[in-house]
Amino acid sequence: EIVLTQFPGTLSLSPGERATLSCRASQSLNSGHLAWYQQRPGQSPRLLIFAASSRPAGIPARFSGSVSGTDFTLTISRLEPEDFAVYYCHQYGNSPPFTFGPGTKVEVK
Amino acid sequence: QEQVVESGGGLVKPGGSLRLSCVVSGFTFSDHSMHWIRQAPGKGLEWISYFSRSGGATYYADSVKGRFTISRDSLQNSLYLHMDNLRDDDTAVYYCARSAHYYYAIDVWGQGTAVIVS
Repeated sequence: EIVLTQFPGTLSLSPGERATLSCRASQSLNSGHLAWYQQRPGQSPRLLIFAASSRPAGIPARFSGSVSGTDFTLTISRLEPEDFAVYYCHQYGNSPPFTFGPGTKVEVK
Repeated sequence: QEQVVESGGGLVKPGGSLRLSCVVSGFTFSDHSMHWIRQAPGKGLEWISYFSRSGGATYYADSVKGRFTISRDSLQNSLYLHMDNLRDDDTAVYYCARSAHYYYAIDVWGQGTAVIVS
């Protein structure tokens, strides 16, 4: 089973600041099959990034993803008020279980 | 509009059974693999089951293997999760979700249905 570790657990920032969220996989992911999701309170998760660095249609350009080996990063260039939420990474390319990371909460400082 | 809508949640006693349903619309069901994912109160997301688009493969998390069964009825555009021998720690919101056709990440989520085992 691939274990995803996210850090930090909580990120306290102000609107307009840059957010850098990390996700480390316990082993290499096939074709970089890692996604990032945003979950606001009381809502279902929303896909932000797939294949480590690709953005689906409709996701703002301030969200970007990158990868170096088994280390994945989600960057939010300038935080908007609606970006304060919990973010999860998810691996979907290797054999099941298709695990999620424990999440990073981005909160208002 | 592509969407998935879950139903069937509720209150059940430990050891009981429940069947969740997920009706899809706005897309061709057989073009997509599907998942069930759950979220316990105040906790993170837990992937629990997968149904391949071909129908040839189903997978389960260890936490539910042998107790939960995923199935699909393409004529009814529906995905199901039959849950037996429910335990307190199965209490969660259960989400039905779709894998994207070309890039496989989960791209469409339902609003979730709550299961309370007590």
